[in-house]
Amino acid sequence: EVRLVESGGGLVQPGGSLRVSCAASGFNVSTSYMSWVRQTPEKGLEWVSIIYRGGNAYYADSVKGRFTISRDNSRNTLYLQMKRLRVQDTAVYYCARNYGGNSRGVFDYWGQGILVTVSS
Amino acid sequence: DVQMTQSPSTLSASIGDRVTITCRASQSISSWLAWYQQKPGKAPKLLIYESSTLESGVPSRFSGSGSETEFTLTISNLQPDDFASYYCQQYSTYSWTFGRGTKVEIK
Repeated sequence: EVRLVESGGGLVQPGGSLRVSCAASGFNVSTSYMSWVRQTPEKGLEWVSIIYRGGNAYYADSVKGRFTISRDNSRNTLYLQMKRLRVQDTAVYYCARNYGGNSRGVFDYWGQGILVTVSS
Repeated sequence: DVQMTQSPSTLSASIGDRVTITCRASQSISSWLAWYQQKPGKAPKLLIYESSTLESGVPSRFSGSGSETEFTLTISNLQPDDFASYYCQQYSTYSWTFGRGTKVEIK
């Protein structure tokens, strides 16, 4: 059974850093496309980043240069390192698995989500 | 970015009704469109991808159609479990973008 479990969320001050994790089971993150998607009441669902099987990573313009997606194949875990956090980064962050091929933009499994709050 | 516009934002319906949700893209996205269902406090769930391909395990009362810029999600014979929010998402070009959602409420 495919399962994704996020952890590491919480309260951080503007300008601070935080790393959220996503432990996967039932499949290998090393051979999958994996993404982070965030959600707020104001902006709705927003794709944040993807890491390809080969390791290439892509980011939304809103987080480029501040966020880094990575994975630890030995732990079967996906990470999102967030730096220079802004109030507008406050959101529920979901990790998600992507389909491959032409539909790699499709999210077929999602974690339960983790709340990140940026506030002073 | 490709803008995705969903309508209506809220829809009131009864059990057994047929409901249709529309999603419009600001530019052609071919058939690279997915639909998700989300219930309060839960993650989105994939229903349909490539405009009309039903995800495994999703009931056949859900169907999708459309191409280029106009897409629809239809739920025939609405069931109690279907009262939720629905989102379209384009994956034609980065950054992949979502619609603002349609909430299906009980009439």
